[in-house]
Amino acid sequence: QVQLQESGPGLVKPSETLSLTCTVAGDTVRSGSYHWNWIRQAPGKGLEWLGYIYNGGSATYSPSLRSRLTMSLDTSRNQFSLKLNSVTAADTALYFCARERILEKTAITRRTNGFDFWGQGTLVSVSS
Amino acid sequence: DIQMTQSPSSLSASLGDTVVISCFTSQNIDRFLNWYQQRPGRAPKLLISTTSNLQAGVPSRFSGSGFGTDFTLTINSLQPEDFATYYCQQSFSSLLSFGGGTKLEIK
Repeated sequence: QVQLQESGPGLVKPSETLSLTCTVAGDTVRSGSYHWNWIRQAPGKGLEWLGYIYNGGSATYSPSLRSRLTMSLDTSRNQFSLKLNSVTAADTALYFCARERILEKTAITRRTNGFDFWGQGTLVSVSS
Repeated sequence: DIQMTQSPSSLSASLGDTVVISCFTSQNIDRFLNWYQQRPGRAPKLLISTTSNLQAGVPSRFSGSGFGTDFTLTINSLQPEDFATYYCQQSFSSLLSFGGGTKLEIK
């Protein structure tokens, strides 16, 4: 059974960097069959996709966060990570990591069938 | 970016009812539309992938249909555990996106 677990500080000060890690069990982040995603949910709001990373270490980010977001892969620890800099109160949210299965992939297209496994989520508050 | 519009944003229904949730996309996404159920304080759960493929363990009262830009999630014979929030999500583009959600409440 695949399991994902988020970890990181629950409180970050404004203007600082939010750093989270997702540890994967029951699968390998080296797999070429999956993309590894971050998704967040502000209190009382809907789901917001942040970005994904895959086995080569390449990442794709949401345009709205691209300038502040960096994702990385640690294959030795079977983890992937997120760093969001210059945070504000608007970044307060429940952050989820999730696996996404690739159905089709070419140089210009990418089709998947959704986020099949999720972490339980970790709440990050931005406050001084 | 592909914009997603879910309708309605909230819905009240009774046990045993059938409900339909709609999801519209700003451009053609073929069949690459997925549905999730989220209960309060929990991670979303994938119910249906690529428009109509029911995930293992999901009751058959859930079904999905559509193609292109218009999609629906139908829940037949509502059970107590079905009262939750539902999200659609497109996986056609490399830039992913979710609908705003539909909160299903007990009447």
